Amino acid sequence: GAVVSQHPSWVICKSGTSVKIECRSLDFQATTMFWYRQFPKQSLMLMATSNEGSKATYEQGVEKDKFLINHASLTLSTLTVTSAHPEDSSFYICSARGSELLAGVKPDTQYFGPGTRLTVL
Amino acid sequence: AQSVSQHNHHVILSEAASLELGCNYSYGGTVNLFWYVQYPGQHLQLLLKYFSGDPLVKGIKGFEAEFIKSKFSFNLRKPSVQWSDTAEYFCAVTEAGSYQLTFGKGTKLSVIP
Repeated sequence: GAVVSQHPSWVICKSGTSVKIECRSLDFQATTMFWYRQFPKQSLMLMATSNEGSKATYEQGVEKDKFLINHASLTLSTLTVTSAHPEDSSFYICSARGSELLAGVKPDTQYFGPGTRLTVL
Repeated sequence: AQSVSQHNHHVILSEAASLELGCNYSYGGTVNLFWYVQYPGQHLQLLLKYFSGDPLVKGIKGFEAEFIKSKFSFNLRKPSVQWSDTAEYFCAVTEAGSYQLTFGKGTKLSVIP
């Protein structure tokens, strides 16, 4: 089956520091990865769409200079929260869309990572 | 822009009760519809999806959903719930040809043994 991992699973940082979150597709290649943000008792909100080898496409209202996304390979995308502030505290979730037909991987389906809990003090 | 409404925030059922979770979307064009489940402490998993064809879609673990285009609805059903179905359920939609999911706020289901 398709497995997506995220690292770290939780992180606490001081205000003003930067935090990098990794999203990996473990057993399939992902041409497209998505980054979501989820506030308590709220829905997942799409932040950006990341295609391997090209610049990410950000949703309206998401600051591209604050949330840096790099999709350097078909199995890894990173989200860096720069100069984090307490209002950036949230649950960040990535998903990956498979690029090929493999056992257990459907190309029109997003597979989600377990999420990263970010707390900014 | 699309939006997805899930009317029930928290549903509490006894085991063996029937389940129906409502989902309505707003978008005038062709859509693809999904139900995802998030078990406690786990990541989102796809329950079922509708792209085209038979509007009654069967998913994993005995779940099904029916797409009613005239009502812009995609309600999730299960005839008899189990304690292990305790989880949060998210309805989501994409425009046809797009992979960008718009999620509802989720419905928390608690099944009492």
